Amino acid sequence: AQSVTQLGSHVSVSEGALVLLRCNYSSSVPPYLFWYVQYPNQGLQLLLKYTTGATLVKGINGFEAEFKKSETSFHLTKPSAHMSDAAEYFCAVSEGGSNYKLTFGKGTLLTVNP
Amino acid sequence: DTAVSQTPKYLVTQMGNDKSIKCEQNLGHDTMYWYKQDSKKFLKIMFSYNNKELIINETVPNRFSPKSPDKAHLNLHINSLELGDSAVYFCASTVGTYGYTFGSGTRLTVV
Repeated sequence: AQSVTQLGSHVSVSEGALVLLRCNYSSSVPPYLFWYVQYPNQGLQLLLKYTTGATLVKGINGFEAEFKKSETSFHLTKPSAHMSDAAEYFCAVSEGGSNYKLTFGKGTLLTVNP
Repeated sequence: DTAVSQTPKYLVTQMGNDKSIKCEQNLGHDTMYWYKQDSKKFLKIMFSYNNKELIINETVPNRFSPKSPDKAHLNLHINSLELGDSAVYFCASTVGTYGYTFGSGTRLTVV
């Protein structure tokens, strides 16, 4: 069965600092991995995804993530945080197949301090 | 030109009532879903339909019944609402594993 663990329910950074949000997954098959962002009272927006190929994936708003099979990790990074990055971030895994079910981590709330 | 639209956005109702949430997608996707986000922001899949056929039903009480009249619509009907049903319900659609497109959510409050 697939599962996702996000380390740290709350991460606080200063504006301009590096953002690092951690995600580890468990999957019985090669996984498809996703990061979503949720701003207050809004739906989920896809930041980036890994399906196959290049392990370093670039997404929107300057975010990127690296798939490391040996570490079963898919950490999200951004070199320089902006105030507008403050939101809840969710890592998710899918094993593909016929139903493409997404299993989410519990989320990490990112706060950005001026 | 909203890709996945849900109505209503907010729903406040009394215990014991029956309510429906509607979802429509204009992306041409074959697969649609309902997810529930609880008060701790945890997202869990409830149902999945592929081209009007139910393919995922995750340990959801029988009071919840999805209905898909066509592949662009997936509605959620809830009978005998309970306090614990209060949550945000998200509709989503996808084609393959290219990433879901989510609706903006329906915040259900049962009083």
